[in-house]
Amino acid sequence: DQQVKQNSPSLSVQEGRISILNCDYTNSMFDYFLWYKKYPAEGPTFLISISSIKDKNEDGRFTVFLNKSAKHLSLHIVPSQPGDSAVYFCAASAHGSSNTGKLIFGQGTTLQVKP
Amino acid sequence: DTGVSQNPRHKITKRGQNVTFRCDPISEHNRLYWYRQTLGQGPEFLTYFQNEAQLEKSRLLSDRFSAERPKGSFSTLEIQRTEQGDSAMYLCASSLQGAAQYFGPGTRLLVL
Repeated sequence: DQQVKQNSPSLSVQEGRISILNCDYTNSMFDYFLWYKKYPAEGPTFLISISSIKDKNEDGRFTVFLNKSAKHLSLHIVPSQPGDSAVYFCAASAHGSSNTGKLIFGQGTTLQVKP
Repeated sequence: DTGVSQNPRHKITKRGQNVTFRCDPISEHNRLYWYRQTLGQGPEFLTYFQNEAQLEKSRLLSDRFSAERPKGSFSTLEIQRTEQGDSAMYLCASSLQGAAQYFGPGTRLLVL
């Protein structure tokens, strides 16, 4: 069963505009959510995270929104830059004392930012 | 560079051979994870160490796979009797408890 889903395989936006990447999850035990960016032949690079006690976290051009009731999170990148073109993965984990914190990843969304 | 490092970066082997990969985590991180990623998919969890103790193994980790973290620092992942289905990118990540995981560059394995 796919506990974390990214339903859009790809997204194309114009440079300077907003990119919105979406992610849905099913497991109500998840309490920590992360976004990673990945270039080909490299490991994922951590971008931003959010705890389930918050509904928004912002870091520079990146903002993550969490809607617990809908089990949905999104990553907003504004303004988008050509260097943001990559595959973006949403990941979730359960951080309770009996949990290992292993990450469950979505399938990824390929973002292309056009100059 | 104080990030996570992995060696080798690439490995080509023949079916039936054994391979071993190494991961050096960020030095102060007590948690270490191994993941596997195949084309078009997100990384999938394989196993987890807290210090030197292996505390969780995925059902993806068949008995041909073994991982160690002998002194709670670097870790090795060995695959015995490799099969073509083992071809993938093997990723290592480390973290402190309750914090984000930081990934290494990965080892790309091709089994011929």
